[in-house]
Amino acid sequence: KAGVTQTPRYLIKTRGQQVTLSCSPISGHRSVSWYQQTPGQGLQFLFEYFSETQRNKGNFPGRFSGRQFSNSRSEMNVSTLELGDSALYLCASSAGTAVRYEQYFGPGTRLTVT
Amino acid sequence: KQEVTQIPAALSVPEGENLVLNCSFTDSAIYNLQWFRQDPGKGLTSLLLIQSSQREQTSGRLNASLDKSSGRSTLYIAASQPGDSATYLCAAYGGSQGNLIFGKGTKLSVKP
Repeated sequence: KAGVTQTPRYLIKTRGQQVTLSCSPISGHRSVSWYQQTPGQGLQFLFEYFSETQRNKGNFPGRFSGRQFSNSRSEMNVSTLELGDSALYLCASSAGTAVRYEQYFGPGTRLTVT
Repeated sequence: KQEVTQIPAALSVPEGENLVLNCSFTDSAIYNLQWFRQDPGKGLTSLLLIQSSQREQTSGRLNASLDKSSGRSTLYIAASQPGDSATYLCAAYGGSQGNLIFGKGTKLSVKP
């Protein structure tokens, strides 16, 4: 089985721009979660989608949004980028809601905001 | 609010040593606890998942234990190898927040 894939792997954007990141889960997985990883804050939860519905959302401003499509692929969007948004963005998929199922992570998208 | 702490932040050992990584969490109402490995600049690789009803899980040279009552989990690595060098993260799922809460990780270096 192919693992979780994320595109693009690297992005450089300018302050004020917006960006869209994509995540394709493992085949058959219906839950996708997004995390932001920075050296200072570590890994922080952004949101979780299951069957196209947002189940849970972390403590991030409304500039961060996401969606999930009927094929379970997910996108996250960050509008009006700030320097502090520079981070590794990771998505994880699981067979069901993350309560009981192992989460499998993709390689991440490295976003640099200049 | 769930908080996950990993001590030590960094650890250096000679090859062949058995070692223990520690993880503590503040809210014992967790559904599961998962250990991950992260290599520099890479994503996370799942190592072991322990459900709240379980006390331990084993995979090869790795053994993870869970003690909900004391809010602790340990990852035991037997006969460490240089290839084990990475950052090890634990994450607790559940409590009041309903999502994975990660520790800051333990950076392990195994010297040949």
